[in-house]
Amino acid sequence: DIQMTQSPSSLSASVGDRVTITCRASQGIRNDLAWYQQKPGKAPKRLIYAASSLQSGVPSRFSGSGSGTEFTLTISSLQPEDFATYYCLQHNNYPLTFGGGTTVKIK
Amino acid sequence: QVHLVQSGAEVKKPGASVKVSCKASGYTLTGNYMHWVRQAPGQGLEWMGWINPNSGDTNYAQNFQGRVTMTRDTSISTAYMELGRLRSDDTAVYYCARGVSYDYTLIDYWGQGTLVTVSS
Repeated sequence: DIQMTQSPSSLSASVGDRVTITCRASQGIRNDLAWYQQKPGKAPKRLIYAASSLQSGVPSRFSGSGSGTEFTLTISSLQPEDFATYYCLQHNNYPLTFGGGTTVKIK
Repeated sequence: QVHLVQSGAEVKKPGASVKVSCKASGYTLTGNYMHWVRQAPGQGLEWMGWINPNSGDTNYAQNFQGRVTMTRDTSISTAYMELGRLRSDDTAVYYCARGVSYDYTLIDYWGQGTLVTVSS
């Protein structure tokens, strides 16, 4: 199984901060990686696919980069509605595997 | 607009089975694979498998082989996930999630989730 190591597991930030979250794959997955945002009690929502493509309707302050084994999700200027948990998903190999999640909290 | 509407919360005893439904609207069920993902309380996301609603073909994660069955009824645009021999650690929110049409392993839309509680 491909292990997805996501870091940090949580972070505290202020509105307006730049936030970066990393996912490392235990083996190369090309760009078969997506990022999801989940708010408490809600289903995940897709933000990024193919490592760097922005889902339609998602604000441009979200961006993704990377290929192979290292990927990042960046929020350029954190907004109040961005406080949530973020997960990466690799869909290059079965079983599909998620990162452990990063919870973004208000500082 | 794509909507996946799941059935309501369930409480089951250990050893029982649970069947969760997922009704699709806003697109044709047979046009996209349907994945199932679960999330234990306070934990991360775990992929369980997918069904191709067009053919009925399935692909289950090893962790669930022999206990999970995914089916569909195309006449009512509904997919189902049945998990048997329930244990307390199967307590989780179960999500259906649609695979993208051009890359069925990639998930786009999710259902609202169904809480399954396993308790004696």
